[in-house]
Amino acid sequence: SYELTQPPSVSVSPGQTVSITCSGDKLGETYVYWYQQKPGQSPVLVIYQDTKRPSGIPDRFSGSNSGNTATLTIRGTQTMDEADYYCQAWDSNTVVFGGGTKLTV
Amino acid sequence: QVQLVQSGAEVKQPGASVKVFCRASGYTFSDYFIHWVRQVPGQGLEWMGRINPKSGGTSSPQKFQGRVAMTRDTSISTAYMELSGLGFDDTAVYFCAKAGISSSSTGWFDPWGQGTVVTVSS
Repeated sequence: SYELTQPPSVSVSPGQTVSITCSGDKLGETYVYWYQQKPGQSPVLVIYQDTKRPSGIPDRFSGSNSGNTATLTIRGTQTMDEADYYCQAWDSNTVVFGGGTKLTV
Repeated sequence: QVQLVQSGAEVKQPGASVKVFCRASGYTFSDYFIHWVRQVPGQGLEWMGRINPKSGGTSSPQKFQGRVAMTRDTSISTAYMELSGLGFDDTAVYFCAKAGISSSSTGWFDPWGQGTVVTVSS
């Protein structure tokens, strides 16, 4: 079965830029979506179709996807961005989630 | 605004079934697939399947086939997910989520319901 691999944890200082990766075979050939989940809350979509931001998501969040790796980048990271981040893609008509990355700010 | 409201927490015994509802508002219920995702405590997200509210057609990964039933009542804009043969490892938070694209079975999920805690305990 298809797998998406994320680093378990990433840390960043406030105001700095951080990137969270999501790796999978030929991932660049399909769309990737990113969700933010804070403790005790439901996931929130932060990036869709590789690079697009839903309304209400700050422009410090951006995404890219090429080759075997998709990347979520947060510029000027704020303490409120501390959360778990999950990538998601589709393979053979089935949803695949990455294992999640805990971002510590 | 678009909102999904789920039923409350449940405690079930091993072998029992649980049925969770997901009531939608703020959009045309029949136009967007509803997906179900669960999260075991301390772990990641796991997709359980989807339902097309317009046709009632469903799809789920092999892991849950035969054990999950997804239905809907369009008259009250509500989707249901019933999981049978509960085991201790089914203890999790169960989320429903609206598909991001009208009439599309794939794509992203937005928004999500608040989650329903299901505890399997003897």
